[in-house]
Amino acid sequence: AQRVTQPEKLLSVFKGAPVELKCNYSYSGSPELFWYVQYSRQRLQLLLRHISRESIKGFTADLNKGETSFHLKKPFAQEEDSAMYYCALSTTSGTYKYIFGTGTRLKVLA
Amino acid sequence: GAGVSQSPSNKVTEKGKDVELRCDPISGHTALYWYRQSLGQGLEFLIYFQGNSAPDKSGLPSDRFSAERTGGSVSTLTIQRTQQEDSAVYLCASSHAYEQYFGPGTRLTVT
Repeated sequence: AQRVTQPEKLLSVFKGAPVELKCNYSYSGSPELFWYVQYSRQRLQLLLRHISRESIKGFTADLNKGETSFHLKKPFAQEEDSAMYYCALSTTSGTYKYIFGTGTRLKVLA
Repeated sequence: GAGVSQSPSNKVTEKGKDVELRCDPISGHTALYWYRQSLGQGLEFLIYFQGNSAPDKSGLPSDRFSAERTGGSVSTLTIQRTQQEDSAVYLCASSHAYEQYFGPGTRLTVT
């Protein structure tokens, strides 16, 4: 079955500490993976796409097909990173119908 | 330009009533999606429209839920005979490629 798992509902870190938001997926083909973010009182928006291999707002995510993971990382967390983060899987090229994880709320403490 | 808009922003209804939620996608976006966002449940896919193709309704939780998209633009999600478990935020998104642009959502409360 196609599935995205985000094991942590809440992750609290101190400002300046490294952060890793975990995402594991289940899919037999070649997936496209994304991270979406929702800041307080803002709309859900795209943060990262694995194909782009970019660093956005200091965040990176590497697709590990062997471990079927797409963890989101940032070496030094900032208070403005506090938000809800969703990992998403697109299984069908061209349609971009996503399967979302349940989300992880990141709290960066001063 | 304007982003995806949804109306109403909040809806409180009595159990058993029907509700209609509206989504205005970004002009030119051929794909339109509806999701349900519940506490602890993440984002649940409901339905997907792509151009003139038949919609993908595989995520609709029951036959009380239906959606249409008129003229390839505005979409309406209808929930008949609402139940308390339908209480959630209903999100609409549109896209023309891989990135989905989300609306602000409609918070539905069924009392």
